[in-house]
Amino acid sequence: QKEVEQDPGPLSVPEGAIVSLNCTYSNSAFQYFMWYRQYSRKGPELLMYTYSSGNKEDGRFTAQVDKSSKYISLFIRDSQPSDSATYLCAIRASGGSYIPTFGRGTSLIVHP
Amino acid sequence: GAVVSQHPSWVICKSGTSVKIECRSLDFQATTMFWYRQFPKQSLMLMATSNEGSKATYEQGVEKDKFLINHASLTLSTLTVTSAHPEDSSFYICSARSLAGGYSGELFFGEGSRLTVL
Repeated sequence: QKEVEQDPGPLSVPEGAIVSLNCTYSNSAFQYFMWYRQYSRKGPELLMYTYSSGNKEDGRFTAQVDKSSKYISLFIRDSQPSDSATYLCAIRASGGSYIPTFGRGTSLIVHP
Repeated sequence: GAVVSQHPSWVICKSGTSVKIECRSLDFQATTMFWYRQFPKQSLMLMATSNEGSKATYEQGVEKDKFLINHASLTLSTLTVTSAHPEDSSFYICSARSLAGGYSGELFFGEGSRLTVL
């Protein structure tokens, strides 16, 4: 079992839809949870990060962490064509090398 | 957020030549930078950890003599692909972790460098 599992998609939704992106992880030592957005031929951009269970909201984006289930989610409200990208979850333990373990990314397509 | 700049964004070279990619942290100091490689539709593969003033730490399976890393200052790390071959063609991305601005060591990535070896 991989440490971080993420469905690669692609996930295709109409503009305005609510998008749910998910990752599961196996290592209970993971304490820090990040979501990166990567446009084609570009480096990943840090979108959201959180250190605790529960929800964190930033504009149209909500990151949700359930440590008991080892499950994290990113919700995008009112999705736009400009949200079309690959979304990677990244998870790491506290301290140490700070090197996160990345999911393989989910490709999202928002069509007008 | 913290800004990491990478140059060049794309490069084409002949087989057997060497290519240098630069990674700079623009608004923060980075004692540690990371070099990743990404194949199409694949996730990021960590190649090595670049430490300022000391030798880089390479991941298993990554050739040290093929991928030379130098981290001479707190804001600059370079990756040199030596004697490049077509199988080295890939998307190379650097990153640095920021402890400034309220971040707790999250990684910030450069724009990536696409290498094509003919």
